[in-house]
Amino acid sequence: ETGVTQTPRHLVMGMTNKKSLKCEQHLGHNAMYWYKQSAKKPLELMFVYNFKEQTENNSVPSRFSPECPNSSHLFLHLHTLQPEDSALYLCASSQRATGELFFGEGSRLTVL
Amino acid sequence: QKEVEQDPGPLSVPEGAIVSLNCTYSNSAFQYFMWYRQYSRKGPELLMYTYSSGNKEDGRFTAQVDKSSKYISLFIRDSQPSDSATYLCAMTLTDSWGKLQFGAGTQVVVTP
Repeated sequence: ETGVTQTPRHLVMGMTNKKSLKCEQHLGHNAMYWYKQSAKKPLELMFVYNFKEQTENNSVPSRFSPECPNSSHLFLHLHTLQPEDSALYLCASSQRATGELFFGEGSRLTVL
Repeated sequence: QKEVEQDPGPLSVPEGAIVSLNCTYSNSAFQYFMWYRQYSRKGPELLMYTYSSGNKEDGRFTAQVDKSSKYISLFIRDSQPSDSATYLCAMTLTDSWGKLQFGAGTQVVVTP
């Protein structure tokens, strides 16, 4: 595996379900990010982790819960989502908080 | 007012033509300006970045930044069908490459 890998690539869930998105980076980076990409809207930064510590929470609702157990793995736990949360969730990593971002292919989430 | 404005397109051009893309922004504190390319069902990848005002050329791609007008551009010369993608502008403050402000992206279609 190379680069930034996200699973699952597609996810359909009901509003009462609990699911998780997983991201793994194989680049030796120490900063990881979650971005949300909705149709026709700019990418929105959600969370930033630097050396496993959360350094940014961009006013994200508590139904999104991130977890970063180590510098290579990042999770986004989802519960009681709303249909407007349907979007492409992109994980990214960088060598440091000031480095170039490398994105995964994203997890396409549909909330029914 | 959005912090970064970008025309969503689609922009359709014949093969070999020059593609001209642009973004305007409102925050005069932005220092780094990037262009990302995103193919369908893929994550964004960094094409070019420019620091402060000026031009930068890389092969068929030229990026321009005019900070006085808060306006950035990307030109693609001798466009190819493989250039068909969505192009995202992004910008950030000094040393905050991970925390990017994106435009909504312009879809480009290059027809053979």
